[in-house]
Amino acid sequence: AQSVTQLGSHVSVSEGALVLLRCNYSSSVPPYLFWYVQYPNQGLQLLLKYTSAATLVKGINGFEAEFKKSETSFHLTKPSAHMSDAAEYFCAVSEEGRRALTFGSGTRLQVQP
Amino acid sequence: NAGVTQTPKFQVLKTGQSMTLQCAQDMNHNSMYWYRQDPGMGLRLIYYSASEGTTDKGEVPNGYNVSRLNKREFSLRLESAAPSQTSVYFCASSEARGGNTIYFGEGSWLTVV
Repeated sequence: AQSVTQLGSHVSVSEGALVLLRCNYSSSVPPYLFWYVQYPNQGLQLLLKYTSAATLVKGINGFEAEFKKSETSFHLTKPSAHMSDAAEYFCAVSEEGRRALTFGSGTRLQVQP
Repeated sequence: NAGVTQTPKFQVLKTGQSMTLQCAQDMNHNSMYWYRQDPGMGLRLIYYSASEGTTDKGEVPNGYNVSRLNKREFSLRLESAAPSQTSVYFCASSEARGGNTIYFGEGSWLTVV
C-alpha cells in the first residue's frame, strides 16, 4: 500500500526566505509523485510532478522538488517566499496501474511580511 | 475552458436526508474520482471510475454511492446523510494512465446538521 507523510502541518517563513516543505512516501513500486497547492476556498492546482524522468522537477511559481529514492523523499522548495505563496500544500503519490492519488495530510504555509 | 464542474457549491442537509453531487468534465478524460477533504486529513478517495461503465471503492466509501452516467459525468449520492459526512467534496478527472495529472473541481461544501 502506498502512503504519504508530510512533516509539519504548519510552516511559517518570512517573505524572501527559503521555503522547504517535507514529504516522505512509501510505495512498493516506483512511484509517481505530485505536489498540489490549494488556495483558500478553491480546488487543488498542480505545482509539479515526478514521473521517473529527471529527479529534480521544476514547477510553477518558482517551486521545485527533488526525488530521492534512497530517502523516499520528495521535498518541495522555493528559494524566496512571496506573500502570494501562502496556501496549503499537498504531496501525493500514485503507482503504475493505480491512477488515483493518495494524499498527505497537507502543510499550511504562512508567509510573514 | 471549464475543466471539472461541480454542483452545488454549498449545501446544508438535515440528518437522514439524501442528495446527489453532480460532476462533469469537458477534457474527454476516461477516469474520474470523488474525494473528501477534512481538516488535518488531506484528501481521501471515496470512489473512482477508471472508465465509462466501471466504478470502484476507494478508501472511505461507506455511506456513498456513485454513478458514471457517461464519459463526462460522475455523480456522488448520499442516501441518508450523517453529521460525519460534513466535509468538502472534490470531483476530479484524469487520463487513464498512471502518472497523469489529476484535475480538480472547485469543491462542494456540505454541512449535515
